[in-house]
Amino acid sequence: GAGVSQSPSNKVTEKGKDVELRCDPISGHTALYWYRQSLGQGLEFLIYFQGNSAPDKSGLPSDRFSAERTGGSVSTLTIQRTQQEDSAVYLCASSPGTRESEQYFGPGTRLTVT
Amino acid sequence: TQLLEQSPQFLSIQEGENLTVYCNSSSVFSSLQWYRQEPGEGPVLLVTVVTGGEVKKLKRLTFQFGDARKDSSLHITAAQPGDTGLYLCAGVSTGNQFYFGTGTSLTVIP
Repeated sequence: GAGVSQSPSNKVTEKGKDVELRCDPISGHTALYWYRQSLGQGLEFLIYFQGNSAPDKSGLPSDRFSAERTGGSVSTLTIQRTQQEDSAVYLCASSPGTRESEQYFGPGTRLTVT
Repeated sequence: TQLLEQSPQFLSIQEGENLTVYCNSSSVFSSLQWYRQEPGEGPVLLVTVVTGGEVKKLKRLTFQFGDARKDSSLHITAAQPGDTGLYLCAGVSTGNQFYFGTGTSLTVIP
């Protein structure tokens, strides 16, 4: 079956521009997570959607970052007025949402802000 | 806030050697997971440990969850080049929130 997909795989943008990153989770997974990863480092939590509950936005680094999940499926992470420090790999993961369930990760979007 | 510290951060060993990676926290988790990530890909789950003191084995990999459910270790016996990758621990809270460790980059030299 299809796994988690993300698009684009690579994005180069100029400082100050807005970008949108897309995540298509595994069908039926109620939980969706966004993370940011700098080269060879651990994952920095950004935001967590669980079913119809209000998302946990506690990891968003600034108000330039926002995310939405439409119809409990596809999610979009938007970064406004991008800065060079936003350059990283953005990973999306989905999960069945049951306790201690596995997260299934997409391949990530590599964002470079020039 | 980084809740989980992994050590060492980098590890380069010869094929056939043994190694241990540590994942430490001051927080208690309901469970702990270990993932491995290869370049250009997302992390893939290796194991979930739930009970304090639990030990799980996956071929040459042995995972242990601390008695107090605050720390964990991953031991690899007779490392192979295919073990090369970034190893990440993740503590899972009661609210199903995941807190990832700082990562350990392992290189196994043939």
